[in-house]
Amino acid sequence: NAGVMQNPRHLVRRRGQEARLRCSPMKGHSHVYWYRQLPEEGLKFMVYLQKENIIDESGMPKERFSAEFPKEGPSILRIQQVVRGDSAAYFCASSPGRWETQYFGPGTRLLVL
Amino acid sequence: AQSVTQPDIHITVSEGASLELRCNYSYGATPYLFWYVQSPGQGLQLLLKYFSGDTLVQGIKGFEAEFKRSQSSFNLRKPSVHWSDAAEYFCAVVQNYGGSQGNLIFGKGTKLSVKP
Repeated sequence: NAGVMQNPRHLVRRRGQEARLRCSPMKGHSHVYWYRQLPEEGLKFMVYLQKENIIDESGMPKERFSAEFPKEGPSILRIQQVVRGDSAAYFCASSPGRWETQYFGPGTRLLVL
Repeated sequence: AQSVTQPDIHITVSEGASLELRCNYSYGATPYLFWYVQSPGQGLQLLLKYFSGDTLVQGIKGFEAEFKRSQSSFNLRKPSVHWSDAAEYFCAVVQNYGGSQGNLIFGKGTKLSVKP
């Protein structure tokens, strides 16, 4: 049973470009959470999605960030017009249901030059 | 607001020695608690979890944790540390207020170093 997959594992972007991060949940999981890990700040919740629905985006910046989880395909976290402060590790986690154990992917390390 | 505190930023233990990593949470009702481990450049691996029932929880790799409601703690323990346990350890609680939908609140982590 494959775990949570994320790609790319590393992503380098110049300021002003777009970053697109993908997350494929574990088989049988339809709930996806995105977290960001900044140096010295720990892991912070960004957004929670179920298939075709954003359930909770209270942790996501209002501008430049968006997320989706289409009926087919992976969940995508999109960051438009990246800035250096967006440099971080982005993790997604999947679970079989709300309030259930979350299993994490290996993360995408984003570096903005 | 809910929070998780890991008082120790960095701990060094000798291989074979016992280990205890501290975690305190703030929440009135019974929380859902987790310990995750992260090796450098890797994702988070679940060590163990507590939802209800027996307050002493066994996990993978020989780890255990004890939920103590009176102390609002969920400390992680291992009787004999191996060099491969060197990593960063995160305690987390499910957010359970303000319309939360089950996202995790993490402590800032404890980095464990193991000396020969």
